[in-house]
Amino acid sequence: GAGVSQSPRYKVAKRGQDVALRCDPISGHVSLFWYQQALGQGPEFLTYFQNEAQLDKSGLPSDRFFAERPEGSVSTLKIQRTQQEDSAVYLCASSLWAGAGNTIYFGEGSWLTVV
Amino acid sequence: KQEVTQIPAALSVPEGENLVLNCSFTDSAIYNLQWFRQDPGKGLTSLLLIQSSQREQTSGRLNASLDKSSGRSTLYIAASQPGDSATYLCAVRGDTGFQKLVFGTGTRLLVSP
Repeated sequence: GAGVSQSPRYKVAKRGQDVALRCDPISGHVSLFWYQQALGQGPEFLTYFQNEAQLDKSGLPSDRFFAERPEGSVSTLKIQRTQQEDSAVYLCASSLWAGAGNTIYFGEGSWLTVV
Repeated sequence: KQEVTQIPAALSVPEGENLVLNCSFTDSAIYNLQWFRQDPGKGLTSLLLIQSSQREQTSGRLNASLDKSSGRSTLYIAASQPGDSATYLCAVRGDTGFQKLVFGTGTRLLVSP
């Protein structure tokens, strides 16, 4: 596709439910990032993939959060036993190469509300 | 730990005014700094990227400056328009490790006709 695509765009989950958020990066992009953006805040780093390798997961807030990118393209962020504090926009981003000078392209986000 | 602060948190101006958004960061060991725009319900659009060796970048009515040693960047918007209304985010990348962006909390800009 032309840009980074995320689905679902909006998700309402009951507390305790598991959710899965999908990211389709721009075709051929090596690097993929997940960020979490709470209301009124800037995005905060969750995890980074280079191809299928998860090189950094230091931003994942708890062991209820899990991300994968098994074939080096599509990525899924899974949140188990959701809690109200998980309510946020989850942004996926990709860039062509691994070098820090490359432009990062963001998707429109998956808006998660936990009730 | 890198911390990024943006001032002001919100700004309201009449159309046509020139304005300055400020960004400061605590650790000057950065690889680059980016300014993004975020419209309500949308993702982030990159506006300008300044490498650590550069002092400024320009794109149309936008000019971003970087003073790495003092940990500051400014985004200058000339002749503001209602279409400029959005949240502007500043983000820095460290010069070690890989490419994690550390974001500020943003400045919400409203330009009135």
